[in-house]
Amino acid sequence: KAGVTQTPRYLIKTRGQQVTLSCSPISGHRSVSWYQQTPGQGLQFLFEYFSETQRNKGNFPGRFSGRQFSNSRSEMNVSTLELGDSALYLCASSLEVVAGGLIYEQFFGPGTRLTVL
Amino acid sequence: GESVGLHLPTLSVQEGDNSIINCAYSNSASDYFIWYKQESGKGPQFIIDIRSNMDKRQGQRVTVLLNKTVKHLSLQIAATQPGDSAVYFCAENTGTYKYIFGTGTRLKVLA
Repeated sequence: KAGVTQTPRYLIKTRGQQVTLSCSPISGHRSVSWYQQTPGQGLQFLFEYFSETQRNKGNFPGRFSGRQFSNSRSEMNVSTLELGDSALYLCASSLEVVAGGLIYEQFFGPGTRLTVL
Repeated sequence: GESVGLHLPTLSVQEGDNSIINCAYSNSASDYFIWYKQESGKGPQFIIDIRSNMDKRQGQRVTVLLNKTVKHLSLQIAATQPGDSAVYFCAENTGTYKYIFGTGTRLKVLA
């Protein structure tokens, strides 16, 4: 079974531009979560989607948005890029995060390295 | 490769020795925990998980111990190999739709 895939793997943008990152979850997984990873802040939760609905959101400004499609693929968008948005953006998929009192494991993709100049 | 963390605690271990990586988690209501391994240039890789109704779980060369009394999790790696060099994260879930991650520990295996 193929793992989580993310495209592109590397991206260079300039301040003020916007960017869209894509994530394809493991086949059959319906939950997709996004994280930002930086040396200073570690792994920080951005948002989680299930069946095209955002169920949880982290403490990031409104410039960060996402969506999920009917095939569970997800995209995240960052508008008006700032230098501080340079980071590794990670997507993780899960069959379901929590259901019936059971929490499910989460698997990560390789990430998209975004550099803002 | 990418820099995962510039200011992470580092554990240096001689090849062949056992490694113990610790994690203090934040929420006493957390029900489920995962240990991840992240190598340079890669996303975190699932290693082993444990649920709150257990205090120990073993995998291949790895053991996770959970002490709910002091909110502490540890990962033991037996006979540490050069390929084990990476950053290790613990993650906790309280039964909500998100995981919370620890800051990570860098493991260096000395030949």
